[in-house]
Amino acid sequence: EAAVTQSPRNKVAVTGGKVTLSCNQTNNHNNMYWYRQDTGHGLRLIHYSYGAGSTEKGDIPDGYKASRPSQENFSLILELATPSQTSVYFCASGDAGGYAEQFFGPGTRLTVL
Amino acid sequence: TQTVSQSDAHVTVFEGDSVELRCNYSYGGSIYLSWYIQHHGRGLQFLLKYYSGNPVVQGVNGFKAEFSKSDSSFHLRKASVHWSDSAVYFCAVSDNVGDNSKLIWGLGTSLVVNP
Repeated sequence: EAAVTQSPRNKVAVTGGKVTLSCNQTNNHNNMYWYRQDTGHGLRLIHYSYGAGSTEKGDIPDGYKASRPSQENFSLILELATPSQTSVYFCASGDAGGYAEQFFGPGTRLTVL
Repeated sequence: TQTVSQSDAHVTVFEGDSVELRCNYSYGGSIYLSWYIQHHGRGLQFLLKYYSGNPVVQGVNGFKAEFSKSDSSFHLRKASVHWSDSAVYFCAVSDNVGDNSKLIWGLGTSLVVNP
């Protein structure tokens, strides 16, 4: 049974619209992460969280907000979507600590027209 | 600033061949290195990691990696690849050892295994 799930799996949005990507994990991990993956750029960290109620900016936070209302859930919010945010988004969870592996969701393909 | 370099963007081999996927890092502190695999259209999956002890670490499906401090490398190897090993492989290093650590990712190496 998948431990990290994402919804929706595919999304088409219009420029200027609001988009919310959701992530749920059943691993009881403290840390959660949002990445985007684009050809030529690999994985880039957008926001991350150390636990419920915390969010931190990653390497490319501009245009994105995050929310961690509970241990299990971590959302990525695009208040005003732009075509440059067309990408594949991955959520991951992991234990605290530099040695910990990350567990990834299946990804959400977002297209902003 | 920590960096991770994967020198080969694409590697093509035949089934049964051995393969080495290269990873070099730059970091001066305690090091935690890992490899992940991503099959087409899927999320990343953990393969193996190194943080101390024996520099050769064994992963799943016959993969292993060797840490070298002198070369600043953590290359991934497999003795005999299968077509199902076709995927993108990512090397990553932790930016610190604490609870607030993040992973620094390489750009990935796409491995194609031909029958």
